[in-house]
Amino acid sequence: DAGVIQSPRHEVTEMGQEVTLRCKPISGHNSLFWYRQTMMRGLELLIYFNNNVPIDDSGMPEDRFSAKMPNASFSTLKIQPSEPRDSAVYFCASSFSGNKETQYFGPGTRLLVL
Amino acid sequence: GDSVTQMEGPVTLSEEAFLTINCTYTATGYPSLFWYVQYPGEGLQLLLKATKADDKGSNKGFEATYRKETTSFHLEKGSVQVSDSAVYFCALSVDDKIIFGKGTRLHILP
Repeated sequence: DAGVIQSPRHEVTEMGQEVTLRCKPISGHNSLFWYRQTMMRGLELLIYFNNNVPIDDSGMPEDRFSAKMPNASFSTLKIQPSEPRDSAVYFCASSFSGNKETQYFGPGTRLLVL
Repeated sequence: GDSVTQMEGPVTLSEEAFLTINCTYTATGYPSLFWYVQYPGEGLQLLLKATKADDKGSNKGFEATYRKETTSFHLEKGSVQVSDSAVYFCALSVDDKIIFGKGTRLHILP
């Protein structure tokens, strides 16, 4: 079975550019989570969706960040405009409400903003 | 609020040594507790979990016991291998979310 799929795996961009990160959750999972990982702050939950609806976006750093889940098999995290401090590894994870406590992580997108 | 505190790394051990990574938690309810592992260049994956007090989670030779009286969930392994080198995260569940500790990097020397 395919796991959580994220693209791109690596992204290098210049400050001020728009960045879009993509995630395909495991088929049948109805919860999706976006995390950011940095050395300084560890793993931070940015936002999560349940049945395609955003439930908690309190971790989204500021208005430059937005996330959507137009259907059960796709989600995006967008940063516009990007800044060097956004450089991090961004993970998407999914889970099934029948076993909501176990999350399955994608391989992550390593973002570098110059 | 709910939180997890785990020992800072890095932890460096020789192969076949005994491993303990300490984890304590603060929670208002009765959360489930987890250990996740992150191998280099990969996402996190669930290593083991325990859902109630005195439960022991185990997997791949690792184990941890849910201790409500000490609010702890320490990770142990009797004999580590080089392939166990990774970052280990202690975590707890709150509603639909999981709260992760900062992670402990483990280096195993051959």
